[in-house]
Amino acid sequence: DSGVTQTPKHLITATGQRVTLRCSPRSGDLSVYWYQQSLDQGLQFLIQYYNGEERAKGNILERFSAQQFPDLHSELNLSSLELGDSALYFCASSVGLGLAGQETQYFGPGTRLLVL
Amino acid sequence: AQSVTQLGSHVSVSEGALVLLRCNYSSSVPPYLFWYVQYPNQGLQLLLKYTTGATLVKGINGFEAEFKKSETSFHLTKPSAHMSDAAEYFCAVSEGGATNKLIFGTGTLLAVQP
Repeated sequence: DSGVTQTPKHLITATGQRVTLRCSPRSGDLSVYWYQQSLDQGLQFLIQYYNGEERAKGNILERFSAQQFPDLHSELNLSSLELGDSALYFCASSVGLGLAGQETQYFGPGTRLLVL
Repeated sequence: AQSVTQLGSHVSVSEGALVLLRCNYSSSVPPYLFWYVQYPNQGLQLLLKYTTGATLVKGINGFEAEFKKSETSFHLTKPSAHMSDAAEYFCAVSEGGATNKLIFGTGTLLAVQP
C-alpha cells in the first residue's frame, strides 16, 4: 500500500459525458501528479500540482483539467469524453517539488475509465 | 528531450533463471533513472532508482540495475527468478530541473515459467 488513494476504482460512462477522478496523496506529500495509461499511448504524464499550484503540464488535452485543493487532495476532470479516453488514470505523489528529478513518486492503484 | 526504450515487450524465463530486462535512455542532461513494477490490477511500485553516486543500484525483491553512461543503458537484473516476479516492468527517466515528471518506456511483461 503506497498511501495514495484514488476513487473511484472503476468508472463506466458514455461519450460526451463528464467525470471527476479523485486522488488523496500520502500524508505530508505536497506534489501530486496525474498519468494516463492506455494501450496505444502507454504511460503518459498529464499534469503536476504542488501545494495547490500547477507546476508542469504534459500531454493533457484541453478537455481535461485538474486542481489541487487546500487539503492537498486533487481532482482530474475529464469532459466531452470520447471512446479514446478509455484508460487507466494514475495519481502519484511526492514530498516536494522534486527539483532535480530525484524524488520518488508513489503511485495510487488507479481509476479505470471505460467510455462507451 | 528525454526518452526511454525498453527492448522486448515480452520476456519469458524459467523459475530460478536469470532475469534481464533492457532499458536504454536518451537524455541531454545527467539522467535520473527509475524502474517500477506493476502487478495485475495494481498501481506502480518503485523497484529502484539511480540519481547520483554508485552506478550499481540495489532495489527491492533482489533486483538490481547498473547505470552505464557509455552505453546509455540501465538494465534490470535478478539472479534467480521467482514465480512472484511475474508482472510488467517499466523503466522511466526524470527530466529534473523544475519538474519531476517521469517519462516511461513502453514496459516489459515478464512471465516466469515453472
